[in-house]
Amino acid sequence: AQSVTQLGSHVSVSEGALVLLRCNYSSSVPPYLFWYVQYPNQGLQLLLKYTSAATLVKGINGFEAEFKKSETSFHLTKPSAHMSDAAEYFCAVSEGAGGTSYGKLTFGQGTILTVHP
Amino acid sequence: DADVTQTPRNRITKTGKRIMLECSQTKGHDRMYWYRQDPGLGLRLIYYSFDVKDINKGEISDGYSVSRQAQAKFSLSLESAIPNQTALYFCATSGDRGTSGYTFGSGTRLTVV
Repeated sequence: AQSVTQLGSHVSVSEGALVLLRCNYSSSVPPYLFWYVQYPNQGLQLLLKYTSAATLVKGINGFEAEFKKSETSFHLTKPSAHMSDAAEYFCAVSEGAGGTSYGKLTFGQGTILTVHP
Repeated sequence: DADVTQTPRNRITKTGKRIMLECSQTKGHDRMYWYRQDPGLGLRLIYYSFDVKDINKGEISDGYSVSRQAQAKFSLSLESAIPNQTALYFCATSGDRGTSGYTFGSGTRLTVV
């Protein structure tokens, strides 16, 4: 079975500061990992994904995430926050072939990012 | 047009009523999913379908049913709505077994009073 834990339901940063959103996962087989963003009153938009290629993944809007197998982590970062980054962010895992949850995304609880001027 | 369209966008219904949420997609994908979103709980899988003849329960299927009318259409029904089914519902589609991520609709906000 697979699961995702996002540490911190709310993160607040100043504009221009580093953004760090934490995600830890569990999976019985090598996973596929994703970060989604949800702006108010909208659906979920894919930010980036890890699918067993490079461990450092770059996404849209200047975000990136690093897959660390030893730490079972996939933290999302952005060097300099912008007001437009304020949204809710979801980490998600899908087990690869052989996993009991192959083909299904399991989401974390979400982290609301607030950016102060 | 959006790749994944959900109707209605908002709905208020009374306890005990039957309601259907509809989803259609233009991606040509075989796989479709229904999730519900609750504050602090993230998204939880209700039902999923890997093709027209393959429908499976997710982690929270009690009180819900689905119908896959065609490759492009996947409907979610609440046979007898109850207040704790008040939530934001999302339909999603994918073209493979999850490696590319999902494409989501804009959601249906359902309130059961």
